[in-house]
This record gives sequence, C-alpha cells and structure tokens, in this order.
Amino acid sequence: DGGITQSPKYLFRKEGQNVTLSCEQNLNHDAMYWYRQDPGQGLRLIYYSQIVNDFQKGDIAEGYSVSREKKESFPLTVTSAQKNPTAFYLCASRSDSQNSPLHFGNGTRLTVT
Amino acid sequence: AQSVTQLGSHVSVSEGALVLLRCNYSSSVPPYLFWYVQYPNQGLQLLLKYTSAATLVKGINGFEAEFKKSETSFHLTKPSAHMSDAAEYFCAVSGAGTASKLTFGTGTRLQVTL
Repeated sequence: DGGITQSPKYLFRKEGQNVTLSCEQNLNHDAMYWYRQDPGQGLRLIYYSQIVNDFQKGDIAEGYSVSREKKESFPLTVTSAQKNPTAFYLCASRSDSQNSPLHFGNGTRLTVT
Repeated sequence: AQSVTQLGSHVSVSEGALVLLRCNYSSSVPPYLFWYVQYPNQGLQLLLKYTSAATLVKGINGFEAEFKKSETSFHLTKPSAHMSDAAEYFCAVSGAGTASKLTFGTGTRLQVTL
C-alpha cells in the first residue's frame, strides 16, 4: 500500500540537542510538507519542497532545517535554536495536480525536557 | 492571501442528531477547499474536497459540504451523528496552481454523546 511513514512515533530529547524526524513516502509525489500542530492552533507550515534539492520556508521555519536529496524522503531537523520544540509534527505529500489534497503520515510526537 | 475561520472550537451533539461544523474562507483566487478529520495521535484523513465541479460535495462516512460563494462558506454536515464521528475536524483552503499551499483552520473538536 502506498503511503507516508513517519518515524519514530514518539521522541524524547533533552533541551539543547538537535533531533531529526524521518518522513518517507512511496506515493511518487513531488511535493512534501512539514507541519507543526499545537493544541488550539491548527496546523502551521514549517517547510515545504516541490522538487528534489529545492525547498522553501513556511510560516514558522525558524529553528528548523530540512533536506530533500531524494524524492521519497524529506527529513526535518529540530535544532536547539527552536524555542518551543515540544509538539506533534506531521509530514504530508501531494501530487502536482492543482486540486490534489495532502496525504498525511501518522505524525511524530516530540517532547523536549 | 488566503485564510480559513472555523467557528466553534468544540461542538457537542447527541448520537443521531445533525452535525454542522462551520468553515468560512478568504481567498484572492477561486479556492479549492478541503475537510479533514483527525483521530487522537494520528495524521489527518481527507473527508472531502471542493474543486469547482459541483457545489455540493459528498465525502466519506456520510459527510457532505456545500460551497456557497456568496457567503464564502464551506460548512460540513452529517444528517445523523455516530459515536465514531467523535474527532477533530479541519477545514483547509488552497488557491489555484500547483505551487499553492494549503492553509488550515484551527480545528473543531466534535463530541458525540449518548
């Protein structure tokens, strides 16, 4: 079955450490996205990539970095510069047609103490 | 620029009652509109989408939504709520063009009581 795999499901880190969240898709989608979800705030876009080796900042990119070396993979690094990293992180992908919806992974819950 | 407003962060209905979740959008171009559902600790699942083919859109699990341009609304309805409908629901808007991003509302948590 095609889909998006995010790993791990739960992640715990100490403050000051960088951490990388994995996102892999086998849907052959060109575009991939990272969202952050906090209670009562909906989804906020961190970074997105429409093609391999290219990506753009979303609305809340500070303290995060990404890479897109392969079409299937779009890892997100939460750096120590991110002030409030504890959140639920969702990866999504989309085909290149105009009205195509996002397909989501099951998320990674990051807790930083 | 585009935005979405979901009225009511929490909605409670009795099992068997009508479900109405409100969504108003703002978009400078003809919009594409989506409703997603999220169960606890999971990703979002597409319920339905509006892409200008028909103003009344039917989705999964008995949900439907009507696009009303004059009211800039895309409210989600279901005639009879089921306990399994309890979840969080998100409305999203996207402008035309493959480069367009989706903008999400803040979500509405639906509670279904006996």
